[in-house]
Amino acid sequence: QKEVEQNSGPLSVPEGAIASLNCTYSDRGSQSFFWYRQYSGKSPELIMFIYSNGDKEDGRFTAQLNKASQYVSLLIRDSQPSDSATYLCAVLGRGTYKYIFGTGTRLKVLA
Amino acid sequence: GAVVSQHPSRVICKSGTSVKIECRSLDFQATTMFWYRQFPKQSLMLMATSNEGSKATYEQGVEKDKFLINHASLTLSTLTVTSAHPEDSSFYICSARATGTEYGEAFFGQGTRLTVV
Repeated sequence: QKEVEQNSGPLSVPEGAIASLNCTYSDRGSQSFFWYRQYSGKSPELIMFIYSNGDKEDGRFTAQLNKASQYVSLLIRDSQPSDSATYLCAVLGRGTYKYIFGTGTRLKVLA
Repeated sequence: GAVVSQHPSRVICKSGTSVKIECRSLDFQATTMFWYRQFPKQSLMLMATSNEGSKATYEQGVEKDKFLINHASLTLSTLTVTSAHPEDSSFYICSARATGTEYGEAFFGQGTRLTVV
């Protein structure tokens, strides 16, 4: 079992719709969770991080964490074509300095 | 957000030569810096972790003598690809974690696209 799993996609959504990106992780001791956006040929950009159960909202983005289910998601409201990118989920374990990345989900927002 | 500057953004070198890539945290002190490489359409592969003033910790399968990492200060880490070969051509990205970061956010440099000819 991979430590951090994401569906590779592509996930296609129409412009204006809600895009839902999911990530599961295997280490129950994981402490912090991050979502990065990576455009083709560019380096990842931090969008959000979350560390406690529940929802965290920032503009059009909402991160959701469920530690019991070992599940973290990212919702993008009012999706725009400029949101088309690969979204990487990363997990930081307790007492560790290493980030474990998922393979990323490619999102396509169709105009 | 915190800024991490990576230089150069692109480099082409001849086979057998060495290339140095710099990673600087511009507005924060980075206790820990990470070096990744990424092949097309693949995810990030952690190569090594460096802490200021100490030797880098390399991931399994990464050659220490080929990929030299130096983290001489809290704002600068360098990766030197020695005796580069075409198979070393890749996208190299650094990231830095700020000192005292409560939740462990790490920020990425712009990446360096290395082509070995």
